[in-house]
Amino acid sequence: SQTIHQWPATLVQPVGSPLSLECTVEGTSNPNLYWYRQAAGRGLQLLFYSVGIGQISSEVPQNLSASRPQDRQFILSSKKLLLSDSGFYLCAWSGPGNTIYFGEGSWLTVV
Amino acid sequence: RKEVEQDPGPFNVPEGATVAFNCTYSNSASQSFFWYRQDCRKEPKLLMSVYSSGNEDGRFTAQLNRASQYISLLIRDSKLSDSATYLCVVKPNSGYALNFGKGTSLLVTP
Repeated sequence: SQTIHQWPATLVQPVGSPLSLECTVEGTSNPNLYWYRQAAGRGLQLLFYSVGIGQISSEVPQNLSASRPQDRQFILSSKKLLLSDSGFYLCAWSGPGNTIYFGEGSWLTVV
Repeated sequence: RKEVEQDPGPFNVPEGATVAFNCTYSNSASQSFFWYRQDCRKEPKLLMSVYSSGNEDGRFTAQLNRASQYISLLIRDSKLSDSATYLCVVKPNSGYALNFGKGTSLLVTP
């Protein structure tokens, strides 16, 4: 069966520090991969999606970036965090049928 | 107009009650529809897909009305464990992104 894991689960970072969130999918090949953010009181916002290795599409201009160095690995990064980057970050994958499955999420607080 | 709109609630209902949520979407060419459930500080989890003819899964019934561009979720015999936020999700017919509503909060009380 397919599984998705992301880490770290929780982190507190100072403004201006770098960020790296990692996500790995197992049990499927060539999945579509996504990074979403859910800010307090807001809906899910798509940040990036990838349909293959090295193929990244950005939905929202910001100081975040994403990379897909391997088929099952998706990384979200930032060189300098802003206070507004705080939120709940969710990695997800989808296969045939358009159904999307989320990782456990990463809570980021920028202080 | 937002892609997907839901009444945020909260809906406070007693155990055993029947409760219904609606969701409207703006893109008439949307092709796939889902309901997700999100518990506090957890990731959203698929509750059920919504099919054109309507579908049922135990106490949960989903309906799609393409003409009026809305989907609904009916929960019968509510349980305390049904307390959560329910997200309406719509997949447009182009692109890879799914559009999420902000969610409807349900609180089932004893």
